[in-house]
Amino acid sequence: KQEVTQIPAALSVPEGENLVLNCSFTDSAIYNLQWFRQDPGKGLTSLLLIQSSQREQTSGRLNASLDKSSGRSTLYIAASQPGDSATYLCACSLSGSARQLTFGSGTQLTVLP
Amino acid sequence: DGGITQSPKYLFRKEGQNVTLSCEQNLNHDAMYWYRQDPGQGLRLIYYSQIVNDFQKGDIAEGYSVSREKKESFPLTVTSAQKNPTAFYLCASCTGGWGNQPQHFGDGTRLSIL
Repeated sequence: KQEVTQIPAALSVPEGENLVLNCSFTDSAIYNLQWFRQDPGKGLTSLLLIQSSQREQTSGRLNASLDKSSGRSTLYIAASQPGDSATYLCACSLSGSARQLTFGSGTQLTVLP
Repeated sequence: DGGITQSPKYLFRKEGQNVTLSCEQNLNHDAMYWYRQDPGQGLRLIYYSQIVNDFQKGDIAEGYSVSREKKESFPLTVTSAQKNPTAFYLCASCTGGWGNQPQHFGDGTRLSIL
């Protein structure tokens, strides 16, 4: 059974700092890996989706990488802003599945002004 | 605008009562999902449906039931058999099939016990 772990559980950084969030998974037979953002009391917003054949995806100040062989993904946020404060979740979809996702427990990010 | 609408935003359940959470999407997505989120934790899959009139149990289906009579709608019933229903419930949808498209989420329903 796929297990997804995110470390650290919480992170606090000063504005302007570059930062990396980590995600690890136990089963490398993934179909894709997704990074989401969740604001308090809200649903999830998709940030980036990396297909199993890809190594990274970029959107604005966000860059996500995928290393299937080591079972790891990172989300890099450049020049962090207070508006980036949220919980970031990664999730994997396994090959052959109905695209249901297995989620990590998230990293709660606070960017201090 | 296309999206997923969940209602109500807050719901309270009395002992022995069944309650139904609504999820409607106008994205023309085939696949729909229900997740449960407990404080400080990730999401866990309750049920999913890849097509109308078909649905499958997820990891924590006990005490829940669903129906998929229309493509746009995937209601979740929390039955009295679910002894710990207090949680944040999220509905999602995606195109399904073999496409690599992200899941889209609603804004959730927070369920509490009276």
